[in-house]
Amino acid sequence: KAGVTQTPRYLIKTRGQQVTLSCSPISGHRSVSWYQQTPGQGLQFLFEYFSETQRNKGNFPGRFSGRQFSNSRSEMNVSTLELGDSALYLCASSFGDQGLGYTFGSGTRLTVV
Amino acid sequence: QKEVEQNSGPLSVPEGAIASLNCTYSDRVSQSFFWYRQYSGKSPELIMSIYSNGDKEDGRFTAQLNKASQYVSLLIRDSQPSDSATYLCAVTNTGTASKLTFGTGTRLQVTL
Repeated sequence: KAGVTQTPRYLIKTRGQQVTLSCSPISGHRSVSWYQQTPGQGLQFLFEYFSETQRNKGNFPGRFSGRQFSNSRSEMNVSTLELGDSALYLCASSFGDQGLGYTFGSGTRLTVV
Repeated sequence: QKEVEQNSGPLSVPEGAIASLNCTYSDRVSQSFFWYRQYSGKSPELIMSIYSNGDKEDGRFTAQLNKASQYVSLLIRDSQPSDSATYLCAVTNTGTASKLTFGTGTRLQVTL
């Protein structure tokens, strides 16, 4: 069974640009969450979507946004990139039942120069 | 105070020994508890989940939860070099059950 697929795997962008990351969840999973991982802050929750609705949101500025499509695929967008946005962005999916564990994708490594 | 705290390590144990990883959390209404393993350069992998007080065993892994003490632990029996990784503790809370709050992880080194 296919896992969580994230594209692209690596990305280099310039300050001020915007970026869109994509995530395809495991078949049948309706919940998709996004996390940012950095050496200093660890794994931090960005937001979670279920059936195309944002259910939870972390403490990130409005430059970070996301959406989910009817097939449960999700995209995350970061506008006006800053150097501090350089991180590993991880997508995780779940059936959506409250409290069950999430399966993570391989991540997108974003470098902002 | 951090919501989920773990000792960053490294925790070094010899091959065949028991590794004991600990995690404390600050929110008393925390509901679900997870242990993820992350190898260097890879994404986190779910290895254990626990929802009620007591022990839960799966192969060489045992998760222990004590809600009164706000403490969750992971024991790895017969530690192998392949267990060398960072172990992340994560919790979810009532009302935000889809949001995982992670500790910073404990790096485990299993030596030959």
